[in-house]
Amino acid sequence: SQTIHQWPATLVQPVGSPLSLECTVEGTSNPNLYWYRQAAGRGLQLLFYSVGIGQISSEVPQNLSASRPQDRQFILSSKKLLLSDSGFYLCAWRPSGGASLYNEQFFGPGTRLTVL
Amino acid sequence: GNSVTQMEGPVTLSEEAFLTINCTYTATGYPSLFWYVQYPGEGLQLLLKATKADDKGSNKGFEATYRKETTSFHLEKGSVQVSDSAVYFCALRGAQKLVFGQGTRLTINP
Repeated sequence: SQTIHQWPATLVQPVGSPLSLECTVEGTSNPNLYWYRQAAGRGLQLLFYSVGIGQISSEVPQNLSASRPQDRQFILSSKKLLLSDSGFYLCAWRPSGGASLYNEQFFGPGTRLTVL
Repeated sequence: GNSVTQMEGPVTLSEEAFLTINCTYTATGYPSLFWYVQYPGEGLQLLLKATKADDKGSNKGFEATYRKETTSFHLEKGSVQVSDSAVYFCALRGAQKLVFGQGTRLTINP
């Protein structure tokens, strides 16, 4: 069966510090991968998605970046965090191509980031 | 482009009340539709789904019917429980990604 992991689960960082959040998927190949942010009490904002290694699509211009160094690894980074980067970061995956009739997404447990 | 509009929250009900959370969408063609649920401090879980017009998705007592005529996918439950307290997201399938509504926070009081 497939599983998705995110770490760390929680993170407190000072303004201006770097960030690296990691997401890995097990039990599938060539998944589509997604990073979302959820600010407190608000909906989901899609940040990045990837349909393959090295292929990143950015949905919202900002001081965050994403990379996909391996097929089942998706990393969210920042060189200098802002206060507004605080939130709940969710990684998700979806089978690519015709592997899933319904094309639903499966979400990880999330990382809660607080920037002070 | 594709979009999803959900009923504004928060919604507060008493246990055993009837629940409806409205969801309407704008899309090209007939995309698959989903309801996700997010319990406090957790990621999203798929609650139910429907892939074509008149399909009814159901799970854990929740139901939603894909209505092409009204471009809607309203979530309903006949008798809610305290454990149903969560944030509910309606979504539709786009080309490479899901398009989510803004979420509706539901609180059930005993």
